[in-house]
Amino acid sequence: GDSVTQMEGPVTLSEEAFLTINCTYTATGYPSLFWYVQYPGEGLQLLLKATKADDKGSNKGFEATYRKETTSFHLEKGSVQVSDSAVYFCALSDTTSGSRLTFGEGTQLTVNP
Amino acid sequence: DTAVSQTPKYLVTQMGNDKSIKCEQNLGHDTMYWYKQDSKKFLKIMFSYNNKELIINETVPNRFSPKSPDKAHLNLHINSLELGDSAVYFCASSPSIREQFFGPGTRLTVL
Repeated sequence: GDSVTQMEGPVTLSEEAFLTINCTYTATGYPSLFWYVQYPGEGLQLLLKATKADDKGSNKGFEATYRKETTSFHLEKGSVQVSDSAVYFCALSDTTSGSRLTFGEGTQLTVNP
Repeated sequence: DTAVSQTPKYLVTQMGNDKSIKCEQNLGHDTMYWYKQDSKKFLKIMFSYNNKELIINETVPNRFSPKSPDKAHLNLHINSLELGDSAVYFCASSPSIREQFFGPGTRLTVL
């Protein structure tokens, strides 16, 4: 079945540091890939997405590129801010699994001033 | 103008009780979902409805019963609550099989 694996957290960075959160996936069809963010006490918000190989999703300074050859969708940001502190989820939606989203375990990011 | 709303936000109850969580979306989406997030933040789908019809029903105890009175609402009823049901429950909606929009969550605590 489909699965998503994220790098283990928590991740703690200083403000303006470079961020990478690794995500790899296993899927039987042609998945769309997503990064969701969950701020403390809130629901999930879509951060960015990519629907086919080599697409790059970007939003709020975050980027991720759909790499079919390595089955990866790593999240990056060049300079993190304290306000980026949240839990980040990688997810996929596969054409063969209907409308479900399969999530990774989530990575807690804390950015210190 | 909330897109996906859930009530209540917090729910504290005793073991053995029956409770319901309500979800409404005003986005005009055809598909709605319930997810459970455990204490380690892991998210797992429970149910999905498309135009009031059940399309995903994961391995969930039959104490959990979703009800969709119309396309904009998907409620979750839980019978005979157990300690292990304590979690955050998220409702979501989607216009397609891709992107989903999530509600703010309902934190259920079973004592």
